[in-house]
Amino acid sequence: GAGVSQSPSNKVTEKGKDVELRCDPISGHTALYWYRQSLGQGLEFLIYFQGNSAPDKSGLPSDRFSAERTGGSVSTLTIQRTQQEDSAVYLCASSPGYYQPQHFGDGTRLSIL
Amino acid sequence: DQQVKQNSPSLSVQEGRISILNCDYTNSMFDYFLWYKKYPAEGPTFLISISSIKDKNEDGRFTVFLNKSAKHLSLHIVPSQPGDSAVYFCASSYGGSQGNLIFGKGTKLSVKP
Repeated sequence: GAGVSQSPSNKVTEKGKDVELRCDPISGHTALYWYRQSLGQGLEFLIYFQGNSAPDKSGLPSDRFSAERTGGSVSTLTIQRTQQEDSAVYLCASSPGYYQPQHFGDGTRLSIL
Repeated sequence: DQQVKQNSPSLSVQEGRISILNCDYTNSMFDYFLWYKKYPAEGPTFLISISSIKDKNEDGRFTVFLNKSAKHLSLHIVPSQPGDSAVYFCASSYGGSQGNLIFGKGTKLSVKP
Protein backbone atom coordinates (compact mmCIF):
# COMPACT_ATOMS: atom_id res chain seq x y z
CA GLY A 1 0.00 0.00 0.00
CA ALA A 2 0.98 3.63 -0.40
CA GLY A 3 0.32 4.73 3.18
CA VAL A 4 2.42 4.89 6.35
CA SER A 5 2.85 1.40 7.77
CA GLN A 6 3.46 0.68 11.45
CA SER A 7 4.23 -2.57 13.21
CA PRO A 8 3.23 -4.21 15.41
CA SER A 9 -0.33 -2.96 15.59
CA ASN A 10 -0.56 -4.09 19.21
CA LYS A 11 2.14 -4.81 21.77
CA VAL A 12 1.67 -6.05 25.33
CA THR A 13 4.74 -6.31 27.51
CA GLU A 14 5.79 -6.45 31.12
CA LYS A 15 7.06 -3.44 33.01
CA GLY A 16 10.83 -3.16 32.73
CA LYS A 17 11.12 -4.76 29.30
CA ASP A 18 12.42 -2.95 26.21
CA VAL A 19 10.18 -2.50 23.15
CA GLU A 20 10.82 -1.52 19.54
CA LEU A 21 8.19 0.04 17.32
CA ARG A 22 8.64 0.27 13.58
CA CYS A 23 7.49 2.80 11.00
CA ASP A 24 7.65 2.60 7.20
CA PRO A 25 6.91 6.08 5.81
CA ILE A 26 5.39 6.93 2.47
CA SER A 27 8.01 6.53 -0.24
CA GLY A 28 9.73 9.81 -1.06
CA HIS A 29 8.63 11.60 2.10
CA THR A 30 11.64 13.30 3.64
CA ALA A 31 10.10 14.15 7.01
CA LEU A 32 9.13 11.54 9.59
CA TYR A 33 7.49 12.16 12.95
CA TRP A 34 6.62 10.13 16.04
CA TYR A 35 3.71 11.08 18.28
CA ARG A 36 1.89 9.33 21.08
CA GLN A 37 -1.69 9.54 22.27
CA SER A 38 -2.45 8.64 25.85
CA LEU A 39 -5.99 7.85 26.95
CA GLY A 40 -8.22 10.92 26.67
CA GLN A 41 -5.40 13.13 25.44
CA GLY A 42 -4.45 14.76 22.18
CA LEU A 43 -1.44 13.71 20.19
CA GLU A 44 1.90 14.53 21.81
CA PHE A 45 4.96 15.16 19.64
CA LEU A 46 7.98 12.95 20.40
CA ILE A 47 10.66 13.24 17.70
CA TYR A 48 11.11 14.52 14.14
CA PHE A 49 13.50 13.51 11.34
CA GLN A 50 14.05 15.70 8.28
CA GLY A 51 16.32 14.33 5.57
CA ASN A 52 19.90 13.99 6.78
CA SER A 53 19.61 16.67 9.46
CA ALA A 54 20.02 15.90 13.14
CA PRO A 55 16.64 14.84 14.56
CA ASP A 56 14.57 17.13 16.74
CA LYS A 57 14.31 15.13 19.98
CA SER A 58 12.69 17.90 22.01
CA GLY A 59 9.48 15.92 22.63
CA LEU A 60 11.01 12.76 24.05
CA PRO A 61 9.74 12.43 27.65
CA SER A 62 12.84 10.74 29.10
CA ASP A 63 16.19 9.22 28.15
CA ARG A 64 14.50 5.81 28.06
CA PHE A 65 13.09 6.85 24.68
CA SER A 66 15.20 6.89 21.53
CA ALA A 67 14.61 6.68 17.81
CA GLU A 68 16.60 6.21 14.66
CA ARG A 69 15.92 6.44 10.99
CA THR A 70 18.02 4.27 8.72
CA GLY A 71 18.76 5.23 5.13
CA GLY A 72 16.32 8.10 5.29
CA SER A 73 13.38 5.70 5.28
CA VAL A 74 12.35 3.21 7.98
CA SER A 75 12.34 4.42 11.57
CA THR A 76 12.42 2.55 14.87
CA LEU A 77 11.26 3.98 18.19
CA THR A 78 12.79 2.21 21.18
CA ILE A 79 11.55 2.43 24.75
CA GLN A 80 13.86 0.94 27.35
CA ARG A 81 12.81 -0.29 30.80
CA THR A 82 9.15 0.36 30.06
CA GLN A 83 6.89 1.86 32.73
CA GLN A 84 3.11 1.71 33.02
CA GLU A 85 2.82 5.39 32.07
CA ASP A 86 4.34 4.50 28.69
CA SER A 87 1.05 2.79 27.77
CA ALA A 88 -0.36 4.72 24.81
CA VAL A 89 -0.93 4.58 21.08
CA TYR A 90 2.31 5.47 19.28
CA LEU A 91 1.70 7.09 15.90
CA CYS A 92 4.12 7.69 13.08
CA ALA A 93 3.59 10.27 10.34
CA SER A 94 5.48 11.33 7.24
CA SER A 95 5.30 14.32 4.93
CA PRO A 96 7.02 15.59 1.79
CA GLY A 97 8.51 18.50 3.74
CA TYR A 98 7.90 21.78 5.51
CA TYR A 99 4.33 23.01 5.65
CA GLN A 100 3.02 19.92 3.96
CA PRO A 101 0.30 17.81 5.59
CA GLN A 102 1.50 14.91 7.67
CA HIS A 103 0.04 11.51 6.85
CA PHE A 104 -0.35 9.07 9.72
CA GLY A 105 -0.13 5.35 10.13
CA ASP A 106 -2.69 3.47 12.21
CA GLY A 107 -0.37 3.36 15.22
CA THR A 108 0.94 0.79 17.65
CA ARG A 109 -1.14 0.30 20.79
CA LEU A 110 1.36 -0.34 23.58
CA SER A 111 0.17 -1.81 26.87
CA ILE A 112 2.55 -2.19 29.80
CA LEU A 113 1.43 -4.68 32.43
CA ASP B 1 -0.16 24.91 29.23
CA GLN B 2 -2.27 23.98 26.22
CA GLN B 3 -1.30 25.93 23.13
CA VAL B 4 -4.15 24.51 21.05
CA LYS B 5 -7.57 24.19 22.64
CA GLN B 6 -10.73 22.51 21.47
CA ASN B 7 -13.19 23.48 24.16
CA SER B 8 -16.07 21.27 23.03
CA PRO B 9 -15.38 17.59 23.69
CA SER B 10 -18.45 16.60 21.69
CA LEU B 11 -20.95 17.91 19.14
CA SER B 12 -24.17 16.37 17.84
CA VAL B 13 -25.68 17.48 14.52
CA GLN B 14 -28.56 16.35 12.34
CA GLU B 15 -27.74 14.89 8.92
CA GLY B 16 -27.83 17.56 6.21
CA ARG B 17 -27.18 20.44 8.61
CA ILE B 18 -23.94 22.34 9.15
CA SER B 19 -21.31 21.13 11.62
CA ILE B 20 -19.05 23.81 13.08
CA LEU B 21 -15.98 22.72 15.02
CA ASN B 22 -13.93 25.32 16.83
CA CYS B 23 -10.31 25.65 17.85
CA ASP B 24 -8.39 28.34 19.72
CA TYR B 25 -4.65 28.78 19.94
CA THR B 26 -2.41 30.89 22.13
CA ASN B 27 0.88 31.11 20.22
CA SER B 28 0.90 33.98 17.72
CA MET B 29 3.89 32.36 15.99
CA PHE B 30 1.73 29.56 14.60
CA ASP B 31 1.52 29.93 10.83
CA TYR B 32 0.10 26.64 9.58
CA PHE B 33 -3.12 25.03 10.71
CA LEU B 34 -4.66 21.65 9.91
CA TRP B 35 -7.73 19.57 10.68
CA TYR B 36 -7.62 15.81 11.00
CA LYS B 37 -10.41 13.26 11.34
CA LYS B 38 -9.91 10.10 13.36
CA TYR B 39 -11.93 6.91 13.52
CA PRO B 40 -11.39 4.42 16.38
CA ALA B 41 -8.34 2.17 15.96
CA GLU B 42 -7.14 4.17 12.95
CA GLY B 43 -4.59 6.93 12.55
CA PRO B 44 -5.69 10.53 11.97
CA THR B 45 -6.65 11.33 8.38
CA PHE B 46 -5.72 14.73 6.97
CA LEU B 47 -8.77 16.80 5.97
CA ILE B 48 -7.80 20.37 5.17
CA SER B 49 -5.16 22.95 6.01
CA ILE B 50 -4.68 26.70 5.92
CA SER B 51 -1.63 28.94 6.13
CA SER B 52 -1.61 32.17 8.08
CA ILE B 53 -1.58 34.27 4.92
CA LYS B 54 -5.16 33.19 4.19
CA ASP B 55 -8.40 33.48 6.11
CA LYS B 56 -10.38 30.79 4.31
CA ASN B 57 -9.74 27.53 2.50
CA GLU B 58 -12.41 25.34 0.97
CA ASP B 59 -12.36 21.73 -0.21
CA GLY B 60 -15.69 20.25 -1.16
CA ARG B 61 -17.93 20.05 1.90
CA PHE B 62 -15.13 21.23 4.19
CA THR B 63 -14.18 24.86 4.80
CA VAL B 64 -11.64 26.13 7.30
CA PHE B 65 -11.77 29.72 8.54
CA LEU B 66 -8.87 31.45 10.26
CA ASN B 67 -9.21 34.58 12.42
CA LYS B 68 -5.66 35.55 13.35
CA SER B 69 -6.62 38.51 15.51
CA ALA B 70 -8.80 36.25 17.64
CA LYS B 71 -6.39 33.29 17.37
CA HIS B 72 -9.32 31.16 16.34
CA LEU B 73 -10.05 28.72 13.58
CA SER B 74 -13.10 26.74 12.70
CA LEU B 75 -14.04 23.85 10.45
CA HIS B 76 -17.40 23.91 8.70
CA ILE B 77 -18.87 20.74 7.23
CA VAL B 78 -21.84 21.29 4.91
CA PRO B 79 -23.92 19.22 4.53
CA SER B 80 -23.07 16.88 7.39
CA GLN B 81 -23.31 13.14 6.70
CA PRO B 82 -23.43 10.17 9.12
CA GLY B 83 -20.03 9.06 7.77
CA ASP B 84 -18.57 12.28 9.14
CA SER B 85 -19.06 10.96 12.67
CA ALA B 86 -15.53 10.80 14.12
CA VAL B 87 -13.15 12.68 16.40
CA TYR B 88 -11.80 15.85 14.81
CA PHE B 89 -8.41 17.23 15.83
CA CYS B 90 -7.15 20.73 15.22
CA ALA B 91 -3.35 21.07 14.86
CA SER B 92 -0.92 23.95 14.47
CA SER B 93 2.75 24.42 13.70
CA TYR B 94 5.34 27.13 13.11
CA GLY B 95 8.72 27.24 11.48
CA GLY B 96 10.57 27.30 14.75
CA SER B 97 9.28 23.87 15.63
CA GLN B 98 10.42 22.54 12.26
CA GLY B 99 6.95 21.49 11.35
CA ASN B 100 6.00 19.20 14.21
CA LEU B 101 2.32 19.59 14.97
CA ILE B 102 0.72 20.65 18.23
CA PHE B 103 -2.70 19.08 18.61
CA GLY B 104 -5.85 19.92 20.46
CA LYS B 105 -7.57 17.19 22.44
CA GLY B 106 -10.25 16.66 19.83
CA THR B 107 -14.01 17.06 19.39
CA LYS B 108 -16.20 14.02 18.89
CA LEU B 109 -18.76 14.74 16.16
CA SER B 110 -21.92 12.65 15.92
CA VAL B 111 -24.10 13.14 12.85
CA LYS B 112 -27.54 11.66 13.35
CA PRO B 113 -29.61 10.37 10.40
